[in-house]
Amino acid sequence: AQSVTQLGSHVSVSEGALVLLRCNYSSSVPPYLFWYVQYPNQGLQLLLKYTSAATLVKGINGFEAEFKKSETSFHLTKPSAHMSDAAEYFCAVSFSGGYNKLIFGAGTRLAVHP
Amino acid sequence: DAGVTQSPTHLIKTRGQQVTLRCSPKSGHDTVSWYQQALGQGPQFIFQYYEEEERQRGNFPDRFSGHQFPNYSSELNVNALLLGDSALYLCASSSMDRNTGELFFGEGSRLTVL
Repeated sequence: AQSVTQLGSHVSVSEGALVLLRCNYSSSVPPYLFWYVQYPNQGLQLLLKYTSAATLVKGINGFEAEFKKSETSFHLTKPSAHMSDAAEYFCAVSFSGGYNKLIFGAGTRLAVHP
Repeated sequence: DAGVTQSPTHLIKTRGQQVTLRCSPKSGHDTVSWYQQALGQGPQFIFQYYEEEERQRGNFPDRFSGHQFPNYSSELNVNALLLGDSALYLCASSSMDRNTGELFFGEGSRLTVL
């Protein structure tokens, strides 16, 4: 069965500091992996996706994630946090043949302080 | 190009009532999925519609039902509302031909059950 675990429900960083949000997955077949961001009172916006091409994936707003099969991880990073990055971040997994059904982690709330 | 649109954005119901939520997919998409996002949690898959039929279903009771119309728009119906049905209901669209798992989300309908 597929599942997603996001380590840390809340992460707080200083503006300009490195952002690291952790995601581990469980899948018996090659997965597709996604990071979505949700701003208050809004829907989900796709940040980036891994679909079996390059293992280092670059997304919008300076975020990137690296797929590590040996560690079953897909951690999200950004070199320098901005105040506007404060939001809820969700890691999700799908798989080929899954007809676009996503399984989400519980989310990590990122706070950025001056 | 209009994205995924949902209506209504907010609604309040009382226990035992019925509710209908509506969704129009992104242009060019033929598949609609519905997710329930309870407060502080990640979205949970309810069901998916393609070619006017329910193709997949998550772990939700029969009180949750849906429909897809020939123009690909969709409705989510919930009968006999419970307090626990209070949540943000997200509609997501995709193309079955491009089975990469990427979903485009609407901003959601926030349901409060009193």
